[in-house]
Amino acid sequence: KAGVTQTPRYLIKTRGQQVTLSCSPISGHRSVSWYQQTPGQGLQFLFEYFSETQRNKGNFPGRFSGRQFSNSRSEMNVSTLELGDSALYLCASSQTGGGNQPQHFGDGTRLSIL
Amino acid sequence: GQNIDQPTEMTATEGAIVQINCTYQTSGFNGLFWYQQHAGEAPTFLSYNVLDGLEEKGRFSSFLSRSKGYSYLLLKELQMKDSASYLCAVTTGGFKTIFGAGTRLFVKA
Repeated sequence: KAGVTQTPRYLIKTRGQQVTLSCSPISGHRSVSWYQQTPGQGLQFLFEYFSETQRNKGNFPGRFSGRQFSNSRSEMNVSTLELGDSALYLCASSQTGGGNQPQHFGDGTRLSIL
Repeated sequence: GQNIDQPTEMTATEGAIVQINCTYQTSGFNGLFWYQQHAGEAPTFLSYNVLDGLEEKGRFSSFLSRSKGYSYLLLKELQMKDSASYLCAVTTGGFKTIFGAGTRLFVKA
């Protein structure tokens, strides 16, 4: 069974640009969550999607957005990039997002802003 | 607010036992997870606690006290490959998981 796949693995952008990251969950998993990971801050919750609906979001500015498609694949978009957006962006999936279900993580997309 | 605290770094010796503590203050509680993350890799699931007490899984055990907002991860018979970050996470309901900043464990020979 294939794991969670994130593309691209690495990305370099400049300030002011926008970026789209992609996540394909494990087959059969319908819940997808996104996290930002930076040294010292740990994983910060961005948002969670299920059946194409955002069910919760973290405390990030509106420049961070996401969506989920009917096949459960998800994308997140960051517009007007800032230096502070440099981070590892992780996607995680679970069957339904229930609080008793462990999350399965992708290898992440490392975003560097110049 | 929502907060999860765990030590930043710990060092232990191969073959020894180490306990990584986690305290949490969250607006809801559905369960507590521990994940392991090796440098440059994705976090992987280690354990889950929802009721008070100890859950044992091989060399790894995890304990939870909901009344104290406290958990620990116990690693026995430490091996060099256990050098990694250990993340404490609480599912709060509303399909949201709060993570601690992680504890970097160094295992020395």
